[in-house]
Amino acid sequence: NAGVMQNPRHLVRRRGQEARLRCSPMKGHSHVYWYRQLPEEGLKFMVYLQKENIIDESGMPKERFSAEFPKEGPSILRIQQVVRGDSAAYFCASFTGTRSSPLHFGNGTRLTVT
Amino acid sequence: GNSVTQMEGPVTLSEEAFLTINCTYTATGYPSLFWYVQYPGEGLQLLLKATKADDKGSNKGFEATYRKETTSFHLEKGSVQVSDSAVYFCALDNNAGNMLTFGGGTRLMVKP
Repeated sequence: NAGVMQNPRHLVRRRGQEARLRCSPMKGHSHVYWYRQLPEEGLKFMVYLQKENIIDESGMPKERFSAEFPKEGPSILRIQQVVRGDSAAYFCASFTGTRSSPLHFGNGTRLTVT
Repeated sequence: GNSVTQMEGPVTLSEEAFLTINCTYTATGYPSLFWYVQYPGEGLQLLLKATKADDKGSNKGFEATYRKETTSFHLEKGSVQVSDSAVYFCALDNNAGNMLTFGGGTRLMVKP
């Protein structure tokens, strides 16, 4: 039973380019969270998605950032026109949608903006 | 709003030493509390949890007790190993959708 799969593991982008981060949840999981971890800091909530629905995006910057979780395929976190301050590790976590069911984290995508 | 405060690291210990990592929280209602561990280059793994006051979570020799009166959930281990070297995160959920609020993390380094 594969865990949460994130790819790529490492992504390097120049300022102004677009970054696309993918997250395939565990089998049977229909809910996904995205978190951002800045160097030497904790994880900050970005967005909470259910298939085809954004439930809470209060932690995501209003500009340049978007997220989706289509009916088929992985969840995508998209960052347009990246800046150096976007350099961070981005983690996806999935769960079944039942309250108190555990979150399972992927290994993250480390984005470096040069 | 919800918040979690952890002691700052790094915490450096010798093998077999006793470990305490302090965690206090602020929350409305009755959150569940968690400790996650992050090994280098990996994602977070759930270490232990407690869902109500006075509950004790335990796993792999680690323990933490949910103390509502002091709003704390300190992590302890009686005898650490080199393999315990990692970053430890205290977290709480808001009991509405499993969204976690994390502390800043505490890096533990165990020397042989």
